[in-house]
Amino acid sequence: RKEVEQDPGPFNVPEGATVAFNCTYSNSASQSFFWYRQDCRKEPKLLMSVYSSGNEDGRFTAQLNRASQYISLLIRDSKLSDSATYLCVVNSARGFGNEKLTFGTGTRLTIIP
Amino acid sequence: DAGVTQSPTHLIKTRGQQVTLRCSPKSGHDTVSWYQQALGQGPQFIFQYYEEEERQRGNFPDRFSGHQFPNYSSELNVNALLLGDSALYLCASSFFSGNTGELFFGEGSRLTVL
Repeated sequence: RKEVEQDPGPFNVPEGATVAFNCTYSNSASQSFFWYRQDCRKEPKLLMSVYSSGNEDGRFTAQLNRASQYISLLIRDSKLSDSATYLCVVNSARGFGNEKLTFGTGTRLTIIP
Repeated sequence: DAGVTQSPTHLIKTRGQQVTLRCSPKSGHDTVSWYQQALGQGPQFIFQYYEEEERQRGNFPDRFSGHQFPNYSSELNVNALLLGDSALYLCASSFFSGNTGELFFGEGSRLTVL
């Protein structure tokens, strides 16, 4: 079983729609969680961290369910510029400064005009 | 403020050869991690360097080795190249005491093994 699993997509959704991505992780000792975004042939960049209480950044909402080991990302009112691959990321580091990020396969999103 | 820089951007090698990839971290960062990203996959952790020592390692064979220099820059070496080593190699930098989980990636070195 992969440490981080997510639906690879692709998701093709019309502009303005709401789209949701889901992800599960296998290591219950994982400490922190993130969504990264990767544009075609570019490097990954941090989109947002994910907290148990849920967090929102503009049109983006991330949720974490530790009991179910489940992470989600919701994008509302999608824009053409949201087209990218979204990577679910888990930090299995133990201790300070030991970031060891495990990435999911990524879910490719295309927003259709 | 210079971001993470990697060189070369593209290279082609043949099976059995050796390759060295280079990385300069973002200004102010002292930790360098290397990731391998195969086509259609997420990045996979190779290893992490801090204070010129390998601190953590992923599930990669000993053919993959690295080094960190006093100026925090780093090299990734791969010996006895296999076709399956063809991938985008990403360098990421961070601040050791930051523990934020945010890594800053370079644009990568795309390696093709023929």
